[in-house]
This record gives sequence, structure tokens and C-alpha cells, in this order.
Amino acid sequence: AQKITQTQPGMFVQEKEAVTLDCTYDTSDPSYGLFWYKQPSSGEMIFLIYQGSYDQQNATEGRYSLNFQKARKSANLVISASQLGDSAMYFCAMREGNTGGFKTIFGAGTRLFVKA
Amino acid sequence: DSGVTQTPKHLITATGQRVTLRCSPRSGDLSVYWYQQSLDQGLQFLIQYYNGEERAKGNILERFSAQQFPDLHSELNLSSLELGDSALYFCASSPHERLAGGQVAIQYFGAGTRLSVL
Repeated sequence: AQKITQTQPGMFVQEKEAVTLDCTYDTSDPSYGLFWYKQPSSGEMIFLIYQGSYDQQNATEGRYSLNFQKARKSANLVISASQLGDSAMYFCAMREGNTGGFKTIFGAGTRLFVKA
Repeated sequence: DSGVTQTPKHLITATGQRVTLRCSPRSGDLSVYWYQQSLDQGLQFLIQYYNGEERAKGNILERFSAQQFPDLHSELNLSSLELGDSALYFCASSPHERLAGGQVAIQYFGAGTRLSVL
């Protein structure tokens, strides 16, 4: 069965420093996608970054990068140069599926606090 | 703005009632997904529709149902509401299920409908 684990309920980081949010996953499907979403206090879910299981290189989107280690089944999010606006809940998610439809499961989330 | 529109933003109702949540996907997106986010269960996948047809089911209760219309908007119907149904309900959309090359399509989320059952 699919499983996503985020072991850090809360994290603190100093403004302008980098921070790594951990995510491990479990799947038997060779084709899957890994996602990170940000949920600020306003509640919306904002897509940050995506990594496909067949991608050879780690995904990057601006200050966000995904440290994808397939053999270890980990997909950690790295935020560089943290900003106060990065304070939010961060969710790791995985989608796998085929012609039978796609299901997405989310981790429990990590709440990030950026200190001035 | 993700381009996914959900209405209403807030909904307050009583136990035993029935409500309908509406979702308009991003222009051109064929797939619609519904999720429930509650404090005790986290973010749970409920159901997916693709071009009008149900494609995948998650942890959706029998009291809940959904459909996707020919214009691709979707509705989630919640009936015989209980206190535990209070949650934030998200709709997400994607253009397809898979992109060229086998990549999984990205889902973009609406702002959610916050349901309070009193």
C-alpha cells in the first residue's frame, strides 16, 4: 500500500538560512510522481515542486529543490534562503496509478516557522 | 491564483442536512479530484473524475457522492451530515492523468470550501 511519512511535525529556521523538510515514501509501482505543496494559514494548497519517478535529475523551482533519492525512497524538500513568508504547513504527496485512475496520498505535514 | 474555483468558500449547516460543493477546474483540465482535510484525518483523497467518468475512489463515505458534468465542472454532494464531516474540502484539477513520457500530471488546488456542521 502507498505510504508517505513526514517525520518532522514542526521545524524552525532562521530567516535567510536553508532548511530541509523530510519525506519518505513507499510504493511498489515503478511509475509515480512526488509533489510538495505549501499550505499557508489562509488555507489554500499551493503547488511547489514535482519529481517524477523516472526523472534522472533532481527537480528545482526557484528557491525550492527536491532531493530525490530513489533507492532510499526519500524526496526531501530543500528551501534555500528562507523568507518570513515561507512560514506555513508543507505537505509531501505521492501519486501512482494507471488506467484505473490516479490516487494521491499526502503525508501528515511539517509546520515550518521562519524566525526573523 | 491556481485557476480552480470552488464555491462556496464557507458553509455552515446543521446535522442531518445535505449540501453541495461546486468546483470549476482550470480551463482545459479534464480531471477533477476531491479531497477532505480534517484535523484528525489529515488530507484524504475522496474521488477522481476524468472527462465525466469516475476514475478512482478513495476514502469516500457512502453518504457522499460526486459527479462531473459535460462542461467539466464537478459537484460534491454530502448528505445526512454529521459533526465529524466538518472539514475543509478541496477540489483539484489536472489536464490529463499522465503527460507524454509517462509523467504524472500535476494537480492544482482550489482555495477550498470550509464546511462547519453544527
